[in-house]
Amino acid sequence: DGGITQSPKYLFRKEGQNVTLSCEQNLNHDAMYWYRQDPGQGLRLIYYSQIVNDFQKGDIAEGYSVSREKKESFPLTVTSAQKNPTAFYLCATRTDYNSPLHFGNGTRLTVT
Amino acid sequence: QQQVKQSPQSLIVQKGGISIINCAYENTAFDYFPWYQQFPGKGPALLIAIRPDVSEKKEGRFTISFNKSAKQFSLHIMDSQPGDSATYFCAASINNDMRFGAGTRLTVKP
Repeated sequence: DGGITQSPKYLFRKEGQNVTLSCEQNLNHDAMYWYRQDPGQGLRLIYYSQIVNDFQKGDIAEGYSVSREKKESFPLTVTSAQKNPTAFYLCATRTDYNSPLHFGNGTRLTVT
Repeated sequence: QQQVKQSPQSLIVQKGGISIINCAYENTAFDYFPWYQQFPGKGPALLIAIRPDVSEKKEGRFTISFNKSAKQFSLHIMDSQPGDSATYFCAASINNDMRFGAGTRLTVKP
C-alpha cells in the first residue's frame, strides 16, 4: 500500500522540549517537504529536500531542523526555539517539479 | 508576502448549485496551478491542476478557468454535493516553490 505515513497523529509536549515528527514514504519520490498549516493562513513551507543528505530552508525554517539520511524518511524536529509551535504539520512528496505534491495525513502538535 | 490570494474565505452553497472559488497570483513565472481538497484531520489531496498554456480544464464536475493576462484562476464545482464540503486550496508553483492560498471552507447544504 503506497503512501506517506506521518506519526503520531496527535502529539502533546511541554514548552521547552524538543519534539520530532516522523514522515515515511514508500512512493519512491525523490523530493520531500514539510509544511505548517495554521487556520486562515494556508500552508507554509518549513524545509524541503531534493535528495538524500541535502535539504533547503523554506519560508519559516527558524526553530525547526530536519535530516534526510534515507530516501524514505524525512523527520522534522520542532525545537524549543520555535516561538509558536502549536500547529498542524504536513509532510509531502513529489516526483519532480512538474508533478503535484502528495500529502500525508498530518500530525497535530500541541505545546502547552 | 502573500503571493497567492484566495477568496472567499468561506462559502455556503445549496445542493445542486455552483461553487466558485477565485485565486490571484503575482509571480508571472509560476507554471503549474493545482487545486487541493482537504477534509478535517486529513492532508490535502490533489483535485485538478492546470498549466498556463491552457485556459480551461474540466474533470467531471470540477473545472479550472485560467486567465493568464489577469493572473487569475478559479475553481468551479458544478452540481455541488454535501460530500464536497471541505476546505479548498489553490496553489501556484515554479520549480520547488509552491505557494498556497489561505483556503476556502465550502459548506454545501442539503
